[in-house]
Parts: sequence; structure tokens; C-alpha cells
Amino acid sequence: GAVVSQHPSWVICKSGTSVKIECRSLDFQATTMFWYRQFPKQSLMLMATSNEGSKATYEQGVEKDKFLINHASLTLSTLTVTSAHPEDSSFYICSASTIQGLQETQYFGPGTRLLVL
Amino acid sequence: GQSLEQPSEVTAVEGAIVQINCTYQTSGFYGLSWYQQHDGGAPTFLSYNALDGLEETGRFSSFLSRSDSYGYLLLQELQMKDSASYFCAVFTGNQFYFGTGTSLTVIP
Repeated sequence: GAVVSQHPSWVICKSGTSVKIECRSLDFQATTMFWYRQFPKQSLMLMATSNEGSKATYEQGVEKDKFLINHASLTLSTLTVTSAHPEDSSFYICSASTIQGLQETQYFGPGTRLLVL
Repeated sequence: GQSLEQPSEVTAVEGAIVQINCTYQTSGFYGLSWYQQHDGGAPTFLSYNALDGLEETGRFSSFLSRSDSYGYLLLQELQMKDSASYFCAVFTGNQFYFGTGTSLTVIP
């Protein structure tokens, strides 16, 4: 199956700093990547949809100036959490989608755990 | 808004069959996916239904009724390793929206 990598897997940072998370599709090209946030024991919340070469589409309630998304190529999307605060501590997961016939499949990265002190 | 409802918890015995339901209300519908997530891990893809009916993949089957905005995941011959959270997700044509998740506990 398709492989999506995420880096780093763990981040601990001080409040006020910025953190960049990379998401790569390793063996396929992904025109669309998604960024999710998941709090403990809760579902995945879609933050934004990232399309290669264009601006990301943010979900309602997600601050685009705080969560900067760049989809520079068909295999790389980055999420930058700017001026991070403790409430931004969460599990951030990216995914990339492919279409095969009628099937739309999403492949997830392993996730990045962010802890803001 | 988008709404996908699932039971929060299910407990079943090893070797048994369990069904996890998902009802949805979304603006747009292309298909229904199911994902498994173990504690501390990322979701892994299980199935995708674009058309009505039952899709079988080994011990797991997934069903969709578009007219009822309803689907389910059926797990047969349960194993201890199946203990995990299971999420349904609707693909609207642009995004995937996830259900509330069902925590499945398999007991001996």
C-alpha cells in the first residue's frame, strides 16, 4: 500500500515558538493532502485541505494565520504551528488521498505529537 | 455542518461477530470509509463503499445504504488484536469527515 511519512514524530517546545511538521507521500503523488488534529479519546478533526500549488482550504474555526500550510510539491505538505501555546498540544496527523476507480482512499502518516510547555 | 454518529463503546467476546453502525448527515457524499486506530497510532484504512451493498475483505465487511445515510462495519471471528477504535468517514468530494469513533474491546 501507499506510504505517507511525517516528521518529526515528537515535538516538545516552549510557548511562543513555531513548529513545522512535514508530511510526505513516499511512493505516490498526492494532489490533495489533509491535516487533522486529534485530542485524547476523541475523533479526528479536519483542520485543512491542502492542494498542490494553491492555498489551503481551512475548516471553520481553524485560524489560517496560526496554522500555516504549504503544499509545495505533489509529495510534500508542511504544517507550521506559529506562536504555539499549551492548548495547541495535540496529535497532528496528515493524510494523502488517491483515487482508484470509484475508490477514494486516504493514507495516513504516523502522526506528530506536539507538547507545548 | 457535518455529522457522523457512532456508538462510543462496544465490548465483544473473542471469536464472536460485532457490528459497528454509522449514521451520517453531510453536505455531499461520494463514499463511506472505515478506519482502525490503535492507541497511540495513526488510523489505518479498512474499507471504502461508494455504492450500496456489502463489501467483504477477509474478516471485515462494510455495508452502505445511501438512501438511509447509514453504514456499518462487521467484524467476524474477533481476535484480541481487534481491540481498537474504529472510525467511519464520509468523503464529500473534497474532504473526509470522521465519525465520533467506537472503542471496541475484545474480551477472552
